[in-house]
Amino acid sequence: DTGVSQDPRHKITKRGQNVTFRCDPISEHNRLYWYRQTLGQGPEFLTYFQNEAQLEKSRLLSDRFSAERPKGSFSTLEIQRTEQGDSAMYLCASSLETSLARTGELFFGEGSRLTVL
Amino acid sequence: ILNVEQSPQSLHVQEGDSTNFTCSFPSSNFYALHWYRWETAKSPEALFVMTLNGDEKKKGRISATLNTKEGYSYLYIKGSQPEDSATYLCAPFVYGGAGSYQLTFGKGTKLSVIP
Repeated sequence: DTGVSQDPRHKITKRGQNVTFRCDPISEHNRLYWYRQTLGQGPEFLTYFQNEAQLEKSRLLSDRFSAERPKGSFSTLEIQRTEQGDSAMYLCASSLETSLARTGELFFGEGSRLTVL
Repeated sequence: ILNVEQSPQSLHVQEGDSTNFTCSFPSSNFYALHWYRWETAKSPEALFVMTLNGDEKKKGRISATLNTKEGYSYLYIKGSQPEDSATYLCAPFVYGGAGSYQLTFGKGTKLSVIP
């Protein structure tokens, strides 16, 4: 399977613990996005990478959140000192953006569902 | 924060009925409009990417239109089938200046097709 994969699919943790999610994008894609989705809402943008560079972070992303994409391949999203409000589905997506095609569709993973007790 | 509105929030239709949903978005700095289908327990899947005013795209029984001047898009499903049951998300791709552009998703329209 050469789609976007995310791990773990489900994570239950206690408030105050740190959690890390991993995303493996489609290999030839240069852009990688993280979104968060809560009940009744559409996916909310968190951050994105162009290759290994993190180009934009949402104001939703507090300093407890950090994302990396070393070597422009897989990415990790870490949440430190989790709070109950962090409970959500964390979606990763990748796309191929070129100077000619800047509107490439996003290919999503199945998401990592976080429950903070 | 971009205001993307989708209506209705949810609807139930009988198998065989045709239906349509609306997505409205600010028309300034518009770059493209994406539609995604998100079935339960699966990942969102792109249906259409549209860029030009007046664009119409079709995939099987599903089609979409785009009006960039007034900032809206319609998604149509002809002869709904149970497998069309999903949440349909629209997302304008807007340039925010300084090299920033990203998709902003609406809350979606949840379609349930009753056999």
